[in-house]
Amino acid sequence: DVKVTQSSRYLVKRTGEKVFLECVQDMDHENMFWYRQDPGLGLRLIYFSYDVKMKEKGDIPEGYSVSREKKERFSLILESASTNQTSMYLCASSFELGKDRDMNTEAFFGQGTRLTVV
Amino acid sequence: AQTVTQSQPEMSVQEAETVTLSCTYDTSENNYYLFWYKQPPSRQMILVIRQEAYKQQNATENRFSVNFQKAAKSFSLKISDSQLGDTAMYFCAFILNAGGTSYGKLTFGQGTILTVHP
Repeated sequence: DVKVTQSSRYLVKRTGEKVFLECVQDMDHENMFWYRQDPGLGLRLIYFSYDVKMKEKGDIPEGYSVSREKKERFSLILESASTNQTSMYLCASSFELGKDRDMNTEAFFGQGTRLTVV
Repeated sequence: AQTVTQSQPEMSVQEAETVTLSCTYDTSENNYYLFWYKQPPSRQMILVIRQEAYKQQNATENRFSVNFQKAAKSFSLKISDSQLGDTAMYFCAFILNAGGTSYGKLTFGQGTILTVHP
């Protein structure tokens, strides 16, 4: 079974702290994603990576950065946490689109990290 | 840019009955994939069903089926014989198939909370 593992299910941090959210996948997927989930807004893409050391901004990158030093690991960094970053964070991974066409479109998700910034 | 809209924040259904969740999307592209993902209280996002835009036939997976109307840009999910385990948040999602440039990025709708009552 594909496994995407996020390092914490619940996290409480103070305003101004530097926060690291870690994600590891074991399926040799090229693509990795960080989404933020808020009620009424669905999931919104923060950043994604399509290869080691490659990263692209998503729809809401402000206040976040990412790191992908190894293919299996994708980290989300909140440089200076703020209360408006209190949210659920979901990591996902998938194969490169185009490989074996349809069957490789599925994204696999971690169980989410509920982050509270106080 | 692509957008996905789910206009039903909450739905409920009696066990063993049928329910339909609505989803509309907007894109100027012709080659894409549509998905329904389920997020139960455990928070683990699971793929329910996938539809390829180039296929006219509606996808089915056991009790789950879709009504894909490409011209109307509509993609509804029908759940037959509803079970208590179907209680979850359901997200409609879209991936543009643009070869090497879309990277499998998912665009999500706002989600619909489905409650199945005994």
